[in-house]
Amino acid sequence: DIQMTQSPSSMSASLGDRVTITCRASQDIGNYLSWFQQKPGKSPRRMIYGATNLAAGVPSRFSGSRSGSDYSLTISSLESEDMAIYYCLQSIQYPYTFGAGTKLELK
Amino acid sequence: EVQLQQSGAELGKPGTSVKLSCKVSGYNIRNTYMHWVNQRPGKGLEWIGRIDPANGNTIYAEKFKSKATLTADTSSNTAYMQLSQLKSDDTAIYFCAMSVATDFDYWGQGVMVTVSS
Repeated sequence: DIQMTQSPSSMSASLGDRVTITCRASQDIGNYLSWFQQKPGKSPRRMIYGATNLAAGVPSRFSGSRSGSDYSLTISSLESEDMAIYYCLQSIQYPYTFGAGTKLELK
Repeated sequence: EVQLQQSGAELGKPGTSVKLSCKVSGYNIRNTYMHWVNQRPGKGLEWIGRIDPANGNTIYAEKFKSKATLTADTSSNTAYMQLSQLKSDDTAIYFCAMSVATDFDYWGQGVMVTVSS
């Protein structure tokens, strides 16, 4: 199975900060990487697909990038509504695998 | 508008089975894959498996091969997941999710399954 190592597991940041979360894939996954946001009591919401593509309706302060086997989700200027847990997902090979999640909190 | 409506919360006794449903509106499930994902209390997301409703073809994560059974009824545009031989460890929220243009475009609201005697 492909392992997705996500870091950090949690972080605190201030409003307006630039925040970056990273997932490292244990095998080549090409650009088959999505990022999801989950708020308490809610279903996950897809933010990024294909490593770099912004999903419909997602604010432009969110972006995705790739450097080799490292995939990053960046929030350019943190807003209060961005406090959530973020997960990456690889979908190139079954079983699909999620990262362990990053809990983003307000400092 | 595409919507996935999951059935209500379930309380199951150890050793029994439950069957969850995920009814889709606004899109024909024959043209997509339906995935199921779980989330144990306070834990992360875990992919269980997926079904191709057009032909019933299924793929499961190894740990769920004897736990979950995925089916779909294209006439009612509904996907199902049966969980068998329930144990306390199966207590979780279960989500259905649909792949249309790309993976996991749409999600159900989730259903809580509690296993308790």
